[in-house]
This record gives sequence, C-alpha cells and structure tokens, in this order.
Amino acid sequence: LAKTTQPISMDSYEGQEVNITCSHNNIATNDYITWYQQFPSQGPRFIIQGYKTKVTNEVASLFIPADRKSSTLSLPRVSLSDTAVYYCLVGGSYGGSQGNLIFGKGTKLSVKP
Amino acid sequence: DSGVTQTPKHLITATGQRVTLRCSPRSGDLSVYWYQQSLDQGLQFLIQYYNGEERAKGNILERFSAQQFPDLHSELNLSSLELGDSALYFCASSAQAGTGGLPGEQFFGPGTRLTVL
Repeated sequence: LAKTTQPISMDSYEGQEVNITCSHNNIATNDYITWYQQFPSQGPRFIIQGYKTKVTNEVASLFIPADRKSSTLSLPRVSLSDTAVYYCLVGGSYGGSQGNLIFGKGTKLSVKP
Repeated sequence: DSGVTQTPKHLITATGQRVTLRCSPRSGDLSVYWYQQSLDQGLQFLIQYYNGEERAKGNILERFSAQQFPDLHSELNLSSLELGDSALYFCASSAQAGTGGLPGEQFFGPGTRLTVL
C-alpha cells in the first residue's frame, strides 16, 4: 500500500505562492493523486487530481514527476481564506479496478496578512 | 453545500452499543465512500460502494459494516462501540466507480460526529 508523507505545517503570507509536497514512494501503477482542502468542522473539498506530469485548474497546479514518487500542490497568490488543512490522497484506480485510498496526515497551512 | 447529506449530525452513545449513520449521495452519483477522521489517525478510508455493490475496502473494522440501498443512500453500522471509535465519520459521493481513467472528485458530506462515552 502506498504510504504518504507531507509536512505537518507551513506558514505563508498573503500574495505568495505556496508549494506543498507529498511523498508517496510506494505508489502503484494504477494509483492516482488527489489533493483536498479542509476547513474546521467541514468535510474535505476537492482541489485537483492527476496521474502524471502537470495539471492546472482555476485554483491550483499539480506537479507530478516522471517517477510519480512525489507530487507538489502549488497555490498561486494565497489569501487569508486559504488557511486550512491540505490533504494528499493516493490510490483508487486509473484504468483499473478500485483499490484502497490512502490519505496523508495533512498539512496545516497558515496564511498571514 | 456539496449536495451530500448525512444524519445525524451528532451522536452520543455508550460503549458496547450499536449505531447507524446515514448518507444520501448527490443526485446522480452512484459511488459512496465512508471515511473516519480522528485526531490520532487522521482521515482513513473505510469502504466504497458503487450502485449497490461493494467496490473497495480500506481500514474497516469487523465490527463495522455498510451497505448501499437501491435508492443509492448508504448506511454505516458500527457495533460493540469502544471509546476509540469516537470520531468524525464522513460520507462522500462521486459519479464514477474509479475504473477507467481519472475518477474525478469526491463530494464530502458535513460528517457525523460520534462520541462514545
């Protein structure tokens, strides 16, 4: 099973770019990578998902190197409202049967004015 | 609002008891996932159902069971409760089963907070 490791916490200032890296050395061929954001007392909310290379949407970018043993969530120009816990999720399926889903322990991002 | 509903919002019970948590997925979503979130273990995947059938199993204890009904709502049954079962239980739904390409996002409900005394 893939095990994920991410920093426990990160600090940033408004307007800066934030990069959060998740390590998943044992990622399987069929595993995909998803990032979620969670605010206190709420369910996680989807940010971005990918399998390899780079994915970009309106809120973030996801960089996945060729060996797929890590992934980096990039949040451009963060604001105070981006203060939350960010989870890396590895697993599931990509063109194959569904497997286990492994969440990282989460990275608590604090954005300061 | 994700469109996923969970009831009850809070549940307080005693050790040894049995409880049922209910989840209604977003309209049209066929996949339902159950997760447990506790302070020491973080977010843990328990089980997934797709259109009534079990699709994947995670770290679900034998004391726990789940099912998805024909109307696609799902229930998570927790029995012989222990103090350590106190946690937030989330249900999520998605349109896809997780086969064939990227499965897309899961939409999480607001959770049920279970307290075992």
